[in-house]
Amino acid sequence: DIVMTQSPDSLAVSLGERATINCKSSQSVLYRSNNKNYLAWHQQKPGQPPKLLTYWASTRASGVPDRFSGSGSGTDFTLTISSLQAEDVAVYYCQQYYSTPWTFGQGTKVEIK
Amino acid sequence: EVQLVESGGGLVQPGESLKLSCAASGFTFSDSAMHWVRQASGKGLEWVGRIRSKPNNYATAYAASVKGRFTISRDDSKNTAYLQMNSLKTEDTAVYYCTALTADVLYNWGQGTLVTVSS
Repeated sequence: DIVMTQSPDSLAVSLGERATINCKSSQSVLYRSNNKNYLAWHQQKPGQPPKLLTYWASTRASGVPDRFSGSGSGTDFTLTISSLQAEDVAVYYCQQYYSTPWTFGQGTKVEIK
Repeated sequence: EVQLVESGGGLVQPGESLKLSCAASGFTFSDSAMHWVRQASGKGLEWVGRIRSKPNNYATAYAASVKGRFTISRDDSKNTAYLQMNSLKTEDTAVYYCTALTADVLYNWGQGTLVTVSS
């Protein structure tokens, strides 16, 4: 199974500042035949279901604000929130869908400083 | 608008069965692989299994924790995927979500359906 490791486990950022979350996979999730990274990011607010933010490492899902951006390739990925808003307080998960079983990072809790 | 709506959850006793449904709309269901993921209260996300599309022979795969007890199926005429859960255990208690993956798009989860296994 591919192991997904996120860092840090928690993060406190001032409103309007940048938040950066890292995710590392134990093996590459880049599928060479189509040059796509099978990596997604999800946001989960308390008491709510997870919400897909990005897939193919950097494609924003429908309706996701452009302050959220995903980057990276191979085994190293980053989710960046360019200007943190109060409504962004949540737990963020990375996920690989390169192979089954799909696996998720342990989550990163983002709070306001 | 893409929608995935899970239903069928409830309270059951250990050893009993339950069948969940995932009704899809807004995209070409028959082209999609359908996946189920679950989340126990206060825990992270755990993949449960998937069923591929007809061109991929409706191939299924399951997490080790549910293999032999859970079965995923689909009815493309109804745009619905199913998760049949047998021999339920207390550790299967979770919110169950479905999602769809095509060659181009990974779709957002539904709202989920709560399964509680308790005596």
